[in-house]
Amino acid sequence: GAVVSQHPSRVICKSGTSVKIECRSLDFQATTMFWYRQFPKQSLMLMATSNEGSKATYEQGVEKDKFLINHASLTLSTLTVTSAHPEDSSFYICSARDGDPYNEQFFGPGTRLTVL
Amino acid sequence: AQTVTQSQPEMSVQEAETVTLSCTYDTSESDYYLFWYKQPPSRQMILVIRQEAYKQQNATENRFSVNFQKAAKSFSLKISDSQLGDAAMYFCAYRSLFLGESNYQLIWGAGTKLIIKP
Repeated sequence: GAVVSQHPSRVICKSGTSVKIECRSLDFQATTMFWYRQFPKQSLMLMATSNEGSKATYEQGVEKDKFLINHASLTLSTLTVTSAHPEDSSFYICSARDGDPYNEQFFGPGTRLTVL
Repeated sequence: AQTVTQSQPEMSVQEAETVTLSCTYDTSESDYYLFWYKQPPSRQMILVIRQEAYKQQNATENRFSVNFQKAAKSFSLKISDSQLGDAAMYFCAYRSLFLGESNYQLIWGAGTKLIIKP
């Protein structure tokens, strides 16, 4: 299947700093990318959906000024956690898909964020 | 809105035995996809199997097969000859075939933790 990379895999930062997570589709054009947050032993919680060249659509309860998403190209989306706090510590997963409704979405390996 | 329910938080099975994970869903759509994903300790999501709702034949992938009951809105996963490497969280997911506002997003179940006993 197609490959989606995510960088970094782990990041530790101090409270109040900003952290950027990159999600790249390596061998297909990702017209849509999804950003998820996953708490321990829980399912994936969709945070936002981004379409290339458009503003991201955020799920209810997700602060758009806190979690900045940029999808400037067909292969790259970024999630920036601004002014991170310990409660933002979590596992963040991106996934990407092309525009064919019959194709699946592919997942990145995830990023473990720890805010001290 | 669509929902997906996995009522088994945890299941265990003896190595080499067969186990069935349950999933039910709710939708008013007639055409859609259903998926089973595996999330091992590495936390990389892996697609196990998918079923198109318009296909009556149950999908199979080697030791993995589904029992898709469209009228009952049930989509169970059967794992035959369970192996230690099958130990993982298993998530059932639904996806509409219509773009609309969904952008083809996945609707997830809560997950089932599968334990393989050696």
